[in-house]
Amino acid sequence: DAGITQSPRHKVTETGTPVTLRCHQTENHRYMYWYRQDPGHGLRLIHYSYGVKDTDKGEVSDGYSVSRSKTEDFLLTLESATSSQTSVYFCAISEYPPLARQETQYFGPGTRLLVL
Amino acid sequence: KQEVTQIPAALSVPEGENLVLNCSFTDSAIYNLQWFRQDPGKGLTSLLLIQSSQREQTSGRLNASLDKSSGRSTLYIAASQPGDSATYLCAVSQGGSEKLVFGKGTKLTVNP
Repeated sequence: DAGITQSPRHKVTETGTPVTLRCHQTENHRYMYWYRQDPGHGLRLIHYSYGVKDTDKGEVSDGYSVSRSKTEDFLLTLESATSSQTSVYFCAISEYPPLARQETQYFGPGTRLLVL
Repeated sequence: KQEVTQIPAALSVPEGENLVLNCSFTDSAIYNLQWFRQDPGKGLTSLLLIQSSQREQTSGRLNASLDKSSGRSTLYIAASQPGDSATYLCAVSQGGSEKLVFGKGTKLTVNP
């Protein structure tokens, strides 16, 4: 398995509080991604990073911010958590750029977030 | 906007049966298509990646085919086993868009 860990694995928080999720990799892969997975929607991309301090938005980025100060860490912050952000959050990494024909992504175990 | 559809949403079969999972996509301008497996409470594991120039890929009892022109892919599982029970997702990587677009998955149950 690719060396990807996510922390925390489970979190319960209250509406309006900030929350930070961490993704840590030991593979030295350049590309990192944050997804959320919800019933009826499948996996949707929140933000991604193509290098240290280089990030971009995905399709559901509103209410989320990211930071990547080191190759191995990609942080996802919910600035003011809402109940609609209750979800399972997955981090993924890849060695090749997203448009490379041989690109595959390796996924972390996920973080279950409940916003009350 | 690319849309990926997987049918059926759920499938239950007896052990030993050969089965086919379907994936369709609306925009044929893809770079590659991937099949993933997701076990309950776990992340996704890549099973097979088919580049746009390829027609199929095989790994053990799994065979994935790609028909880009018709916007379809199938995942064939031979001699299914209870350990194959999981949710299977397909995803496409599209030119001009730096992301994977996922289907909602097919939940497979293989009964002993």
